[in-house]
Amino acid sequence: DAKTTQPPSMDCAEGRAANLPCNHSTISGNEYVYWYRQIHSQGPQYIIHGLKNNETNEMASLIITEDRKSSTLILPHATLRDTAVYYCIVTGTTTGAQKLVFGQGTRLTINP
Amino acid sequence: DGGITQSPKYLFRKEGQNVTLSCEQNLNHDAMYWYRQDPGQGLRLIYYSQIVNDFQKGDIAEGYSVSREKKESFPLTVTSAQKNPTAFYLCASSPRTSGGRTDTQYFGPGTRLTVL
Repeated sequence: DAKTTQPPSMDCAEGRAANLPCNHSTISGNEYVYWYRQIHSQGPQYIIHGLKNNETNEMASLIITEDRKSSTLILPHATLRDTAVYYCIVTGTTTGAQKLVFGQGTRLTINP
Repeated sequence: DGGITQSPKYLFRKEGQNVTLSCEQNLNHDAMYWYRQDPGQGLRLIYYSQIVNDFQKGDIAEGYSVSREKKESFPLTVTSAQKNPTAFYLCASSPRTSGGRTDTQYFGPGTRLTVL
């Protein structure tokens, strides 16, 4: 599985856009980029995923570079409830099942 | 409500006892997974199942067992052979795409197991 690198922590002011970077320089052509977040003592929450193109949903936008070696998760108007650990995961399939490898993630703190 | 339920939220057991954690989903998902999370760490895959009556070991299966007798249920037994069972256990499920690939995983709320 390709490995990802994320900054251990970031801060963002409430109401501003939070931009979370992720490096995945060894990603292969059929691997997707997934983002999850985990609020303390809860199960991870799916945010968004993409293969090559930029993606947007009601929670966030995902910008993937043309060479696919890095991506950025954008929370357009961060709120205090967005404070969480954010995980960037690259995954294909392992014998038909998707295997998620969670690293340390980025601890995002939204400040009032 | 559709979703994944895990019960109980908190579980305490004495050392040497087997304990079974429940995971139920009503999302009609084919695949189900069990992960373990230790404090300050990411998740690690214990077991996964792609279809009923079939399951495979993940990265840290030693000391654990599972069954998949029904599509909606994937219980995990933590046996006395597991050396460090105290952890946060997370269950997930995912649908299968029309192309056969398993899709996005959705997680339950987790069970925090403490072995005394």
